[in-house]
Amino acid sequence: AQKVTQAQTEISVVEKEDVTLDCVYETRDTTYYLFWYKQPPSGELVFLIRRNSFDEQNEISGRYSWNFQKSTSSFNFTITASQVVDSAVYFCALSEDYQGGKLIFGQGTELSVKP
Amino acid sequence: GAVVSQHPSWVICKSGTSVKIECRSLDFQATTMFWYRQFPKQSLMLMATSNEGSKATYEQGVEKDKFLINHASLTLSTLTVTSAHPEDSSFYICSVMGDRGNNQPQHFGDGTRLSIL
Repeated sequence: AQKVTQAQTEISVVEKEDVTLDCVYETRDTTYYLFWYKQPPSGELVFLIRRNSFDEQNEISGRYSWNFQKSTSSFNFTITASQVVDSAVYFCALSEDYQGGKLIFGQGTELSVKP
Repeated sequence: GAVVSQHPSWVICKSGTSVKIECRSLDFQATTMFWYRQFPKQSLMLMATSNEGSKATYEQGVEKDKFLINHASLTLSTLTVTSAHPEDSSFYICSVMGDRGNNQPQHFGDGTRLSIL
């Protein structure tokens, strides 16, 4: 069965701190896709990144970076120099479909960035 | 601009009422849409897969007679919560599978907050 675990329920940091959100997944598929979404208080889901199981290259996008390690089944997300606007719930998700399809979400990590 | 339109954004109604939520694909035809439910402070859970022109596929534990899904056109799927009760209060969000040709991830609507009194 597929499963995504985000062990950190809540994280609180002060602005400009770096923060890493952990994500561990389980799947028997050899081909799968991992996603990160941001959910601000307004509720909508904002797509951040998609990574397929064959691409273990780390990715950086501005202040965001992702570390994918198949050996530990982890897909961690780091925000550098956090800002108040980063405050949101962040979800890691898993799918067998490159477009997402039936997404299996983790429990989410609520990030609070204080000024 | 928005790719998926979900309506209404929020609804408050009395117990026993049936509530219809619409999910529209604005930019492309969508043969497949998904309905998720999110209880407060919890994760999103897939409820069902909506297929245009055929019956929806429900996830285990989701009552198909309680949550009626109709996907009658390539741009519209509706979720009707029948005889809603307070325990059905939740955030319902739909998503639309994008065009396979452009490799886009699925697009989410902005969600519907349902409160049953």
